[in-house]
Amino acid sequence: GAVVSQHPSRVICKSGTSVKIECRSLDFQATTMFWYRQFPKQSLMLMATSNEGSKATYEQGVEKDKFLINHASLTLSTLTVTSAHPEDSSFYICSARDQKGPYEQYFGPGTRLTVT
Amino acid sequence: AQSVTQLDSQVPVFEEAPVELRCNYSSSVSVYLFWYVQYPNQGLQLLLKYLSGSTLVKGINGFEAEFNKSQTSFHLRKPSVHISDTAEYFCAVGLGSARQLTFGSGTQLTVLP
Repeated sequence: GAVVSQHPSRVICKSGTSVKIECRSLDFQATTMFWYRQFPKQSLMLMATSNEGSKATYEQGVEKDKFLINHASLTLSTLTVTSAHPEDSSFYICSARDQKGPYEQYFGPGTRLTVT
Repeated sequence: AQSVTQLDSQVPVFEEAPVELRCNYSSSVSVYLFWYVQYPNQGLQLLLKYLSGSTLVKGINGFEAEFNKSQTSFHLRKPSVHISDTAEYFCAVGLGSARQLTFGSGTQLTVLP
């Protein structure tokens, strides 16, 4: 149980276009989902906390107009990278918190974004 | 605010040898502690967690960790590693009502034949 999926797993887009990444909890309800960014050989940096039915909370330094997060249901959160630039190329990972566990976060497999 | 320090960025070890990956944290309040493993181009998988109770925590794949409050450490150990244990390992601290995790910088464990 406790599976989180992400789609797509890889995406290549041209500079200036927008890309949407989906994060789904497949067998549990997640009132809270988290979005992370990971550069090569580095740790995960929390970008934002997404709560179902409300606005996301962004970490300091993360542009909320560039990284649009929507958490429309208890099983789906989306991250849209708007007007992507090459510096946005990264590995994006989402996680979902099971309502039942105090700190249990389950991670998706990640999405590799390459902006050309 | 809390922080997590993983002292070793890379740990090479021979197959069937024991290994310890070090993690220290700083926090003025009680914390929840986690170890995750990440294989190349994949997400994170939970190895084990400390929430409360016994300070020795056993996880998957034969890993265990000990919470030491006085030394603010949560080192990960395995008595005998396999080639398949080669991966990146992250220590994380959970704190706060938002239940966010703060990750260490990671330790690359490479098991050599």
